[in-house]
Amino acid sequence: DAGVIQSPRHEVTEMGQEVTLRCKPISGHNSLFWYRQTMMRGLELLIYFNNNVPIDDSGMPEDRFSAKMPNASFSTLKIQPSEPRDSAVYFCASSRDFYEQYFGPGTRLTVT
Amino acid sequence: EDKVVQSPLSLVVHEGDTVTLNCSYEVTNFRSLLWYKQEKKAPTFLFMLTSSGIEKKSGRLSSILDKKELFSILNITATQTGDSAVYLCAVEARGAQKLVFGQGTRLTINP
Repeated sequence: DAGVIQSPRHEVTEMGQEVTLRCKPISGHNSLFWYRQTMMRGLELLIYFNNNVPIDDSGMPEDRFSAKMPNASFSTLKIQPSEPRDSAVYFCASSRDFYEQYFGPGTRLTVT
Repeated sequence: EDKVVQSPLSLVVHEGDTVTLNCSYEVTNFRSLLWYKQEKKAPTFLFMLTSSGIEKKSGRLSSILDKKELFSILNITATQTGDSAVYLCAVEARGAQKLVFGQGTRLTINP
C-alpha cells in the first residue's frame, strides 16, 4: 500500500490567496483526519471524517478554513483567504475504525 | 478540556544511554494512549496502550500505562543516533476516535 498520500508537499503563496491541500487515505480506512503542526502549538486536530461525514470540526480555526470529503478516497482542506499565521505543516491521517492512525508526509505551507 | 503533557520537552544524551520519556494526561472517558515517533516527516506509530500495567515492547523500546495515576512512560535502552526524533504521546477518549497530542519530547542522541 502506498500509505496516505498528500499533495502538494510544499506550497508557498501570498497572503489573501486561496490554498487547497489534498489527501488520499489508505484504501479501506474509513476515518480521515486533518492536523496542523506548528512549533508553538504542536500537533492540533482540525477536523475528522468518518465514512465521509464530518464528525468533529471544533478544531477548525475559523471560517477561512473548510474541509470536504466527497468520497472515500479523497479529501481537501481549503484556506480562503490565507494569512501568514496559517503557515504550518498540515498532516492528513487515516485509520480503520478505532485503530491507530497512519499519517501522510504532510504539506508544508508558507504564506508570505 | 482533554489535555496531554509530556516531559521533558527536550533531552540530549549519549549513544548507549537509557532514556525515559513521560506523558501525563487528563481525558474524559479514556480509551487508549498512543506513542508516535516523528523524525523529519510524519509521525509513525509505535505503541497503543489500553490497559494498566501491561508493558508493550518492540526491540529496545518499551512502554507502560498507569491508568490510576494517569501517565505513561516510554523507555528506550541502549540508545542509537537513529533514535533521535520527536516522540509524541496522544490520548483517545472513548467514543471520540480523535487524538489529543502532547507537545512532544525532542530527543537527541549524540555519538
